[in-house]
Formats: sequence, structure tokens, C-alpha cells
Amino acid sequence: DTGVSQDPRHKITKRGQNVTFRCDPISEHNRLYWYRQTLGQGPEFLTYFQNEAQLEKSRLLSDRFSAERPKGSFSTLEIQRTEQGDSAMYLCASRTVSGVPEAFFGQGTRLTVV
Amino acid sequence: QQPVQSPQAVILREGEDAVINCSSSKALYSVHWYRQKHGEAPVFLMILLKGGEQKGHEKISASFNEKKQQSSLYLTASQLSYSGTYFCGTEGGDYKLSFGAGTTVTVRA
Repeated sequence: DTGVSQDPRHKITKRGQNVTFRCDPISEHNRLYWYRQTLGQGPEFLTYFQNEAQLEKSRLLSDRFSAERPKGSFSTLEIQRTEQGDSAMYLCASRTVSGVPEAFFGQGTRLTVV
Repeated sequence: QQPVQSPQAVILREGEDAVINCSSSKALYSVHWYRQKHGEAPVFLMILLKGGEQKGHEKISASFNEKKQQSSLYLTASQLSYSGTYFCGTEGGDYKLSFGAGTTVTVRA
């Protein structure tokens, strides 16, 4: 296992379209996080999972955003009716709660809404 | 809640030292430090756990004051490779990991 994998790496979409991103965590990691990052800012927390359970979703996140982690493996983040303000890098990170507790980040999906 | 980092930016010459601070308004279980270079994902540097345990980078050190809910990252004898944006991440007992806005470090020859 080589790390956290995100797909696609880049996505250009028209305003109003729906998009879905995928994250494959490191296999033994039961915690998975989604963040959004814009230029010059830190990763902004969106949501996180323990196994398949979604533990928290940011109150700043509109109802257009939804995330799932079926069977506690890969996760998807969907944005419905995209807006230009959704343009950002979407980062996924995973970690285990035992042993080495640091989070490992994927390379991210860069979304551009035109 | 998002931790607060200071300074926002620092410029160093090779060999100089710098300190980056991170503070939180909530009780902390751990503090994580990451470095991100332009166009890349954040890379883990160090984690400081409640109770004093530390794991991380050989040439970068950090401290964690649990009572004050603060952490500091010490860049000693900086190298060109230290350039990047440094983020602190904080978590309480719920494993929610929140990041600060970052400190941009530029090391010049």
C-alpha cells in the first residue's frame, strides 16, 4: 500500500453540475477526513469518518455537500449544483487510532468551477 | 474550532532559527505539525501527545503546553529545504483534526 489515493486529480466542471470525488485511504486506517483548501489558507475541516460512521460534518458546509464511506473502506465526496465558490483543492487524509497516530494526506483533487 | 497560528510569514537566511506558535481555545489531546510545499500535499513532521510523548522529525523540535493549550515549532539552523507553509493541527478527545491558517516560511541562501 503506497498511501492515500484520490481520484480524479483535477476536475473542471460547469456551474450547476454535480461532481463526485473518491478517496482510497491506507488500508488499515479506520479514520478518514475530508478537507477543503483554498490558496493561502489551511485545510478547512469538512467531515470525518470512523469506519463507515460519519462522526461530524462541518456546520459551515451547505447541504449541497455529502460524503459517504460504505463498508468503511473508500470514501466519496459529492458536491451538488456546484458554484464558483466551490473551486478549491479537496484533500483526503486517513489515520489509525492505534500505533502511529499521524494523518496521511492524499495528493488532493483540484476542482475548478467555470 | 480552528487553532490560531503566528506569525503568518517569516523570512530566514540559511542557518537562522525561527519559532512558529499555535494556540487553541479548547482542551487538546494532541498537536500535529505539517509542512506543505507549493502544489503538494501536507507532509507530517511531528505529533505531540498529551502527557509529553513526541514523535517526529529529527531536525525539527516542538513543545506542547497542555495547560495553556499552546504548541510551538522550532526551526533550528534552517536549511533551504525548510521553505514551505507550516500548519498545526489540533484535536481534542474526539479525533477531529482541525488546522490553522498556516505560517509561510521562506529560507534564503
